[in-house]
Amino acid sequence: EVQLVESGGGLVQPGGSLRLSCAASGFTFSDYYMDWVRQVPGKGLEWVGRIRNQAYIYTKEYDASVKGRFTISRDDSENSLYLQMNSLRTEDTAVYYCVRAGLTTKYALDVWGQGTTVTVSS
Amino acid sequence: DIQLTQSPSFLSASVGDRVTVTCRASQGISSSLAWYQQKPGKAPKLLIYDASTLQTGVPSRFSGSESGTELTLTISSLQPEDFATYYCQQLYSYPLTFGGGTKVEIK
Repeated sequence: EVQLVESGGGLVQPGGSLRLSCAASGFTFSDYYMDWVRQVPGKGLEWVGRIRNQAYIYTKEYDASVKGRFTISRDDSENSLYLQMNSLRTEDTAVYYCVRAGLTTKYALDVWGQGTTVTVSS
Repeated sequence: DIQLTQSPSFLSASVGDRVTVTCRASQGISSSLAWYQQKPGKAPKLLIYDASTLQTGVPSRFSGSESGTELTLTISSLQPEDFATYYCQQLYSYPLTFGGGTKVEIK
């Protein structure tokens, strides 16, 4: 079964840091671009960023709202995706989804994790 | 950045109704658009990519079309399991952006 499982969410103070992890299984993780998408409870979806695969030298793209504060990385040997979040703000409070960009879907997001909740509050 | 204006933000419909959701892009996106369905407490699910290609396993009552910068998701005959929130997303240029969502509720 194709699966993505996030972990690492929790409560953090403004200005703090948190690292989210995503464990992938059931597919050849190294072949795929991987994204992070977040959602404030009750609100819409917001794309956070993307990391490409080794063929594209693991290049990354970020939304302007997180650029310079968040870093996406991956470990293909561990089938894992990460999101390092620094200088957290209250507006970063959201459910964070680990998402696969499909190879046969023109990179539309075809597999989603269940999400992990990040709360930034003092 | 490419803005996606989704309309309506909310609609009330009955089982069996034909439902249309529109996503207007601020510039051309060459069919690089996906539609997702999200139910409460669940992750989104991919319905359509490349503006009109149905994802594997998605019922054929869902369809997508485009006319210039206006893209449309149509549900031909609304079923009870279709009551959810629908989002469009452009995959043409970074940053990738989503529309604001359309919540489809039971009339």
